[in-house]
Amino acid sequence: VVLTQSPGTLSLSPGERATLSCRASQSVTSSFLAWYQQKPGQAPRLLIYGASSRATGIPDRFSGSVSGTDFTLTISRLEPEDFAVYYCHHYGSSQRTFGQGTKLEIK
Amino acid sequence: EVYLLESGGGLVQPGGSLRLSCAASRFTFSTYAMSWVRQAPGKGLEWVSTISDSGGRTYYADSVKGRFTISRDNSKNTLYLQMSSLRGEDTAVYYCAKDCVLGGSYGSDYWGQGTLVTVSS
Repeated sequence: VVLTQSPGTLSLSPGERATLSCRASQSVTSSFLAWYQQKPGQAPRLLIYGASSRATGIPDRFSGSVSGTDFTLTISRLEPEDFAVYYCHHYGSSQRTFGQGTKLEIK
Repeated sequence: EVYLLESGGGLVQPGGSLRLSCAASRFTFSTYAMSWVRQAPGKGLEWVSTISDSGGRTYYADSVKGRFTISRDNSKNTLYLQMSSLRGEDTAVYYCAKDCVLGGSYGSDYWGQGTLVTVSS
């Protein structure tokens, strides 16, 4: 499974809504799609698992959804700490893949 | 709080070998699958390998298959990655991550801080 994320870079201001896309090259089970946030110099952090469930401690401004092979991460109202790189990740039965990432930067 | 601490990174010549370790604490290590994920400088995340909770099943990315070996010692709460025939493109920060299954869905809920492997002559 190849995951293609778009856009590569998203420039927004605090308070705005962010919509990040992850398209799978073939049908995947939603249970096996997760989203991660990574800030410079830090390890990734699990945000969303099962395409739409928030991980422990993740604010409710983060949400995930799916339509067919298109997965979306939405941040309803950007906070300064949300500017980071976001990756989608597919947990295959024997192979796993990450998308190439979307960099969310301050406009 | 779960704690994962990688070690063993460093500078190695092309063709050389290195063994990474990941010491786990504050959770029942033997009941979770574990993974290695790497990140080349300035690049994105790349899944490397996963091992089942018992160690009986292992999985590898095509880019490392036949060169890397994942293993674990549940008596020592430690995950390993034996890397051989190293190439320049293996240069990366290597993270260990704890897998989790939440209501039938998958994620990696805890990560170490990573260890840097540099392959260069």
